[in-house]
Amino acid sequence: NAGVTQTPKFRILKIGQSMTLQCAQDMNHNYMYWYRQDPGMGLKLIYYSVGAGITDKGEVPNGYNVSRSTTEDFPLRLELAAPSQTSVYFCATRVHTGELFFGEGSRLTVL
Amino acid sequence: KQEVTQIPAALSVPEGENLVLNCSFTDSAIYNLQWFRQDPGKGLTSLLLIQSSQREQTSGRLNASLDKSSGRSTLYIAASQPGDSATYLCAGILKGGATNKLIFGTGTLLAVQP
Repeated sequence: NAGVTQTPKFRILKIGQSMTLQCAQDMNHNYMYWYRQDPGMGLKLIYYSVGAGITDKGEVPNGYNVSRSTTEDFPLRLELAAPSQTSVYFCATRVHTGELFFGEGSRLTVL
Repeated sequence: KQEVTQIPAALSVPEGENLVLNCSFTDSAIYNLQWFRQDPGKGLTSLLLIQSSQREQTSGRLNASLDKSSGRSTLYIAASQPGDSATYLCAGILKGGATNKLIFGTGTLLAVQP
């Protein structure tokens, strides 16, 4: 049971490039989330999904897109990367009690 | 605006000391509260979840309490060890609609000196 797996762990992008952050879980949880963590700012919700085929925006969705074709996978796509998207990105899943489980994060730098 | 505040922002204690981390929230709609630990460069590890029907939860040397009437939660760490050094985050879970949204505090950076 690997829990929540994120790839890549580190990535450097040039302004305007695109990329996808991968998130996979093997716990069969319906709820999945993408957060970004900036120094001194806490975690902010980007997008979330309540099940396969269903996604919705969080607090800071601009510049991102998601899809949820399967229960296991919840990729986050960055189109036209900007320096403001330099951050650490965390994927998480939730059980029915509300408890969240996080991946180890993907550190993205946009230069 | 919904806010979660953690005080102090940083704390340094000698090994063996008992300590309390504080978390306060402004939104009475917070349903559950979860405490996490984050090591440098790592993800968040769930420590304790306190559901709305509970007042506290215990796991080993950790005890977390929740007082919704006063908007406060505390995390008590007994007999602290250098391995407890990390950032501790609390998150209020709002119940609403199709998802339970979390509001995170900015964390308390704990250093336990050997």
